[in-house]
Amino acid sequence: QVHLVESGGGVVQPGRSLRLSCAASGFTFSNYVMHWVRQAPGKGLEWVAVISDDGSNQYYADPVKGRFTISRDNSKNTLYLQMNSLRAEDMALYYCARSNPPKSYGSGKYWGQGTLVTVSS
Amino acid sequence: DIQMTQSPSTLSASVGDRVTITCRASQSISTWLAWYQQKPGKAPKLLIYKASSLESGVPSRFSGSGSGTEFTLTISSLQPDDFATYYCQQYYSYSWTFGQGTKVEIK
Repeated sequence: QVHLVESGGGVVQPGRSLRLSCAASGFTFSNYVMHWVRQAPGKGLEWVAVISDDGSNQYYADPVKGRFTISRDNSKNTLYLQMNSLRAEDMALYYCARSNPPKSYGSGKYWGQGTLVTVSS
Repeated sequence: DIQMTQSPSTLSASVGDRVTITCRASQSISTWLAWYQQKPGKAPKLLIYKASSLESGVPSRFSGSGSGTEFTLTISSLQPDDFATYYCQQYYSYSWTFGQGTKVEIK
């Protein structure tokens, strides 16, 4: 059974950093493209970043480009999102999601439960 | 960047109604479109992929159609469990873009 479990969220001051993790299980992690998607309170879904199955390619949404870094450790079955220079507008529930089928930038078949990032002084 | 526009933003309907949600892409995305259902406090759930393919385990009252820039999600007979927010999503490019969502409310 596929499981994605995010962690690392919390309360952080503007301008500070936070690293999110997404622990994957129940599938061969290294075969799948992975995404981060966020949802601000009461708002819609916003795609944040994607990383290829082997970690060699990363793409970012314009609002986070240059501040966030997506990475993965296939030996640990874990996806990361390093968030620097956090702003109030980054406050959201952050989901990791797995693309389908393998090795493709497809739709999001599996999602975690999300981890909440609050940016406040 | 590809923009996705969904309509309506809110839809009031009764159990048993046929419901249609529309999604328009700013450029052709072939059939690289998915539909998700989201309930409060829950992660999105994939309903439809490749515009018209029903995800395993999803009731057959849900269907999708369209290609290019115009797409629709239809619920043939609305059930109590279907009151939720629905999002379209393009995956034509490496990135994803979501529509702004359609909240289906009880009339």
